[in-house]
Amino acid sequence: GQQVMQIPQYQHVQEGEDFTTYCNSSTTLSNIQWYKQRPGGHPVFLIQLVKSGEVKKQKRLTFQFGEAKKNSSLHITATQTTDVGTYFCAGPTGGTSYGKLTFGQGTILTVHP
Amino acid sequence: EAGVAQSPRYKIIEKRQSVAFWCNPISGHATLYWYQQILGQGPKLLIQFQNNGVVDDSQLPKDRFSAERLKGVDSTLKIQPAKLEDSAVYLCASRYPGLALGELFFGEGSRLTVL
Repeated sequence: GQQVMQIPQYQHVQEGEDFTTYCNSSTTLSNIQWYKQRPGGHPVFLIQLVKSGEVKKQKRLTFQFGEAKKNSSLHITATQTTDVGTYFCAGPTGGTSYGKLTFGQGTILTVHP
Repeated sequence: EAGVAQSPRYKIIEKRQSVAFWCNPISGHATLYWYQQILGQGPKLLIQFQNNGVVDDSQLPKDRFSAERLKGVDSTLKIQPAKLEDSAVYLCASRYPGLALGELFFGEGSRLTVL
């Protein structure tokens, strides 16, 4: 079945360093979403990308959707301790018009002060 | 606006016992999802409802899991009998009606421990 893979599984950085997580799909996606889950919390929506090659920014976060719409990345500039958590990408799979969403396994980010 | 409500937040049971989780989505959200999240993994879709109809339950272990969404609002997820490997957080999420795009709103989750 369709898979959404993320790398790396873990990333440990010093505060102020940059962080990037990558998401790859086995098939072309119509759109991709990113979520953040704080330790002990639930996933919270960050952004949705729809267009091929799309780049969106939210303050220190930069999101990209690949030209072939099979990969995406999230880059955080100058990490802060508040960035700690697990970052998930999610893509629609299953071919339904109601949006079955498949999540990647996530990248766990720890930030050392 | 009120978020997605779930209960109970925590449940500890012994294997072979039964458990039920309840979810109340955001008002007006026709699409409702139940996800299972095992520690260290991404959420895995168990079942998706559109109003009170099942859209996808291909990953629901139907020999022990059941879910319903009466009247297209609240939903319950039941496990009977529970196995050790069912220990996980069960997340309910909802989405605006009729959209294939758009964010999922998650509840706080129900953490199940099976001993």
